[in-house]
Amino acid sequence: KQEVTQIPAALSVPEGENLVLNCSFTDSAIYNLQWFRQDPGKGLTSLLLIQSSQREQTSGRLNASLDKSSGRSTLYIAASQPGDSATYLCAVMGYGGSQGNLIFGKGTKLSVKP
Amino acid sequence: DAGVIQSPRHEVTEMGQEVTLRCKPISGHDYLFWYRQTMMRGLELLIYFNNNVPIDDSGMPEDRFSAKMPNASFSTLKIQPSEPRDSAVYFCASTEHANTGELFFGEGSRLTVL
Repeated sequence: KQEVTQIPAALSVPEGENLVLNCSFTDSAIYNLQWFRQDPGKGLTSLLLIQSSQREQTSGRLNASLDKSSGRSTLYIAASQPGDSATYLCAVMGYGGSQGNLIFGKGTKLSVKP
Repeated sequence: DAGVIQSPRHEVTEMGQEVTLRCKPISGHDYLFWYRQTMMRGLELLIYFNNNVPIDDSGMPEDRFSAKMPNASFSTLKIQPSEPRDSAVYFCASTEHANTGELFFGEGSRLTVL
């Protein structure tokens, strides 16, 4: 059974720091991996989607990498800002390819201090 | 488009009462998902629909839970009778392409069962 783990559960950094959020998964047979952002009291917003054949995806100050063989993904945030404060969740889609197989980690709560 | 719309945003009810949560997916999205989020278990898929047909309801915790999608623009998740352990945030999400499409979430319905 696929399990997705995110460590640490919470992270606090000063503004301007570059930071890395980690995601690990137990079954490397994945279709894709997605990173989401969740603000308090809100739904999830998709940030980046990496297909299993890809190594990384970039969007602005965000860069997500995928290493299927080791069951790991990282989300790199450059020059962090207070507006980046949120909970970041990763989710993997298992084989079969259906979104119904999307398994979420419990997230890393990020706080960027001004 | 207004995005995925859920109602009510907040619901407080007493144990034993019936609860109905509603969702309007993004127009043109053929897939609709119901998730439940708790601190202990994180995000869990309850059920998803494709073209209004339930595809996988294995995540529905008990017979007290039921979901319907009578048309492409409306879905309900019903809990009858409700119990305190059902307290959670329930999210609806939709996507155009199950395998590669971005998943769009509503802002959730926070349910408290006393």
